[in-house]
Amino acid sequence: DGGITQSPKYLFRKEGQNVTLSCEQNLNHDAMYWYRQDPGQGLRLIYYSQIVNDFQKGDIAEGYSVSREKKESFPLTVTSAQKNPTAFYLCASSQRLVGTSSSYEQYFGPGTRLTVT
Amino acid sequence: AQSVTQLDSHVSVSEGTPVLLRCNYSSSYSPSLFWYVQHPNKGLQLLLKYTSAATLVKGINGFEAEFKKSETSFHLTKPSAHMSDAAEYFCVVSDGTGRRALTFGSGTRLQVQP
Repeated sequence: DGGITQSPKYLFRKEGQNVTLSCEQNLNHDAMYWYRQDPGQGLRLIYYSQIVNDFQKGDIAEGYSVSREKKESFPLTVTSAQKNPTAFYLCASSQRLVGTSSSYEQYFGPGTRLTVT
Repeated sequence: AQSVTQLDSHVSVSEGTPVLLRCNYSSSYSPSLFWYVQHPNKGLQLLLKYTSAATLVKGINGFEAEFKKSETSFHLTKPSAHMSDAAEYFCVVSDGTGRRALTFGSGTRLQVQP
């Protein structure tokens, strides 16, 4: 059964601690994405990766880091430098962006709700 | 640059009545357009997509959307609302630059009254 898994569903951390959110996909997609969602707002892109060992900053990358060592995995680390880390985090994947074609839809995981106190 | 404006943050309808969720877009290229639905504390599910084929696009669960280039709109409709349609809906544009795939609207929360 193909899809995207994110774990855990809920995560609680103390301020000042780094935390890593997991994202795994078995869709054989090359491209993966991390979004942040805050109440009443749309999704904002944190980082994306079009291929293994390569990733690019999105609109709100400050305070976050990623790695892409395997095609199926794209973990996100929320560092202590992120000023407002409490949010709902969504991971997505799609077929690779080839040339200027980006009409491929993204498939989303169920999300991780991070609460930092 | 590309952008998406969802004209209503909240829409309330009665069960069995039509649904209209409005979306306008701006894009420097020929866009691809999507509608996604999100139920509370869940990920997003693709409802439908427009990729320069037919301008009237049919999706899942009885939803459809019409691409109108002259009006730069991509409104989502459904003839008869069901209680299970209550959710957040996002209009999304992709402009084909290859740098970043999608730009999301701020969402429309659909309430369905019994």
